[in-house]
Amino acid sequence: DGGITQSPKYLFRKEGQNVTLSCEQNLNHDAMYWYRQDPGQGLRLIYYSQIVNDFQKGDIAEGYSVSREKKESFPLTVTSAQKNPTAFYLCASHRGGGANVLTFGAGSRLTVL
Amino acid sequence: QKEVEQDPGPLSVPEGAIVSLNCTYSNSAFQYFMWYRQYSRKGPELLMYTYSSGNKEDGRFTAQVDKSSKYISLFIRDSQPSDSATYLCATMTTSGTYKYIFGTGTRLKVLA
Repeated sequence: DGGITQSPKYLFRKEGQNVTLSCEQNLNHDAMYWYRQDPGQGLRLIYYSQIVNDFQKGDIAEGYSVSREKKESFPLTVTSAQKNPTAFYLCASHRGGGANVLTFGAGSRLTVL
Repeated sequence: QKEVEQDPGPLSVPEGAIVSLNCTYSNSAFQYFMWYRQYSRKGPELLMYTYSSGNKEDGRFTAQVDKSSKYISLFIRDSQPSDSATYLCATMTTSGTYKYIFGTGTRLKVLA
């Protein structure tokens, strides 16, 4: 079955550590997105990528980094510069063109101890 | 002003009730509108997708877009406890890149 796989589902981090969240899709979608979800604030866009080897900052990119070396993969690194990293992170993808539907992964819950 | 506004709830209704969930948006250029359902600790899943104004029905769900008042609605008929979730409205801009804008979500609880 096609879909988006995020790992790990739960992650604990000590302050000062970088962590990388994995996102893999087998939908053959061109565009991929990372969102952060906090209670009462909805989904906020961190980074997005329309094609391989290209990505753009979203609304809250500070303290995060991404790469897009393969069409299927869009990992997100939460760096120690992110002051409040505890959140639910969602990866999504979109085929592009006229298919204007965003498909989400199951999410990764990051907790900073 | 947020580009998409949504009442966060929570909204509690008895089983079998008709539920109305609503959002407003600010940019008249938005043409694509979506409703997502999100269960606790899960990723959102697409419920309904509409283009421009009008109604779209799928089983117990009806999505309605009124572009003149910049108002989008989701109606759930014969609500079930399994409908208890957070419902997110969303729209999309296509000016150069595809960018999705989400409401904050409305928490719905259907009581058995």
